[in-house]
Amino acid sequence: EAQVTQNPRYLITVTGKKLTVTCSQNMNHEYMSWYRQDPGLGLRQIYYSMNVEVTDKGDVPEGYKVSRKEKRNFPLILESPSPNQTSLYFCASSFQSSGAYNEQFFGPGTRLTVL
Amino acid sequence: SQQGEEDPQALSIQEGENATMNCSYKTSINNLQWYRQNSGRGLVHLILIRSNEREKHSGRLRVTLDTSKKSSSLLITASRAADTASYFCATAPKYSGGYQKVTFGIGTKLQVIP
Repeated sequence: EAQVTQNPRYLITVTGKKLTVTCSQNMNHEYMSWYRQDPGLGLRQIYYSMNVEVTDKGDVPEGYKVSRKEKRNFPLILESPSPNQTSLYFCASSFQSSGAYNEQFFGPGTRLTVL
Repeated sequence: SQQGEEDPQALSIQEGENATMNCSYKTSINNLQWYRQNSGRGLVHLILIRSNEREKHSGRLRVTLDTSKKSSSLLITASRAADTASYFCATAPKYSGGYQKVTFGIGTKLQVIP
């Protein structure tokens, strides 16, 4: 089954404790992206990747890191989480590396709480 | 206002009625996409309409695009309780080289009352 998976689905952590949210897709998509969703603000892009070893900042990259060592995986790293990073996070992928023109497939989301 | 801004922000209708949601945007686009999100879950792609198309259908969904007004509408006919969800439009700017970011709106929350 074609899908985007994220782990963990729920995470409660404390300020400053490094964490990684994994994202994996099995559709051989070039493009992958991370979003955060907050009430009243919609989806905001954190980072995106157009292919292996090609990543760039989205609208709200501060406090986050990503890597794309393999085509299928795109982990999101919070080196020192803070309470303002409490949010619902989504990973998404799509075909085409020249831009996200096609439909994006979303993961189920990771609800992160930073105390 | 944001690129890809939906209107209304919330809509409540009876089962069987039609639901119409609108999306306005500011810059020239390559395409516009509509997504649905059930509470707290991932977004699901519904339909994509390109800038040279004016109308598109998919089952009970009808999307129109008016590039002169920079607006789109999503019509759900004969609504069902299962259509209760948030609906987002997403715009992909006209390609001018390099990566062009897709921008999501804040969404319209639709409630269909059985």
